[in-house]
Amino acid sequence: EPEVTQTPSHQVTQMGQEVILRCVPISNHLYFYWYRQILGQKVEFLVSFYNNEISEKSEIFDDQFSVERPDGSNFTLKIRSTKLEDSAMYFCASSEEGVSGDEQFFGPGTRLTVL
Amino acid sequence: GQQVMQIPQYQHVQEGEDFTTYCNSSTTLSNIQWYKQRPGGHPVFLIQLVKSGEVKKQKRLTFQFGEAKKNSSLHITATQTTDVGTYFCAGPSQAGTALIFGKGTTLSVSS
Repeated sequence: EPEVTQTPSHQVTQMGQEVILRCVPISNHLYFYWYRQILGQKVEFLVSFYNNEISEKSEIFDDQFSVERPDGSNFTLKIRSTKLEDSAMYFCASSEEGVSGDEQFFGPGTRLTVL
Repeated sequence: GQQVMQIPQYQHVQEGEDFTTYCNSSTTLSNIQWYKQRPGGHPVFLIQLVKSGEVKKQKRLTFQFGEAKKNSSLHITATQTTDVGTYFCAGPSQAGTALIFGKGTTLSVSS
């Protein structure tokens, strides 16, 4: 069964450093998303991406964040200068159709720890 | 901004008891989705409801969408230990391109 994959599974970084989180969405999916979940809290929307551009972003997704689809398979989230409060689990998701028509498939997540 | 509220936050039941979680939105939703997240896992899609008053069943799980399309519920009959996890409802964002999740209800089941 096709699945969303994410690397690395765990990333530890120093405050102020840049991190890139990688995702490989399901191959025939057209819509991509990043969410984050601080330990024990709800899943928070960061950004949605379609047709090589951002469709929507939340208030959390400020200038420190960027997304990119560098090739036909990868979808990345970059945090330019990490802060302590960026520590969270980051989930990538993809769907065949948009939100109103389709389920989202989540990857296993990358746990980001900022020291 | 749009909010999706969910209660209760935690629920502990004995195996075999029923369980219900409730979801309320501050705005009318075009659809609502439910996800389950096992401890240490990622959200997994359970179902999508679209129509006003819609009721869908999956084995012991019953999902309901309110008439006004602003609330929803998930009811589990005769819980089992495999039902343990956090259940999230999620509605479309303002622009309709992403999901806004409720805080979730964490279910624990003792045998």
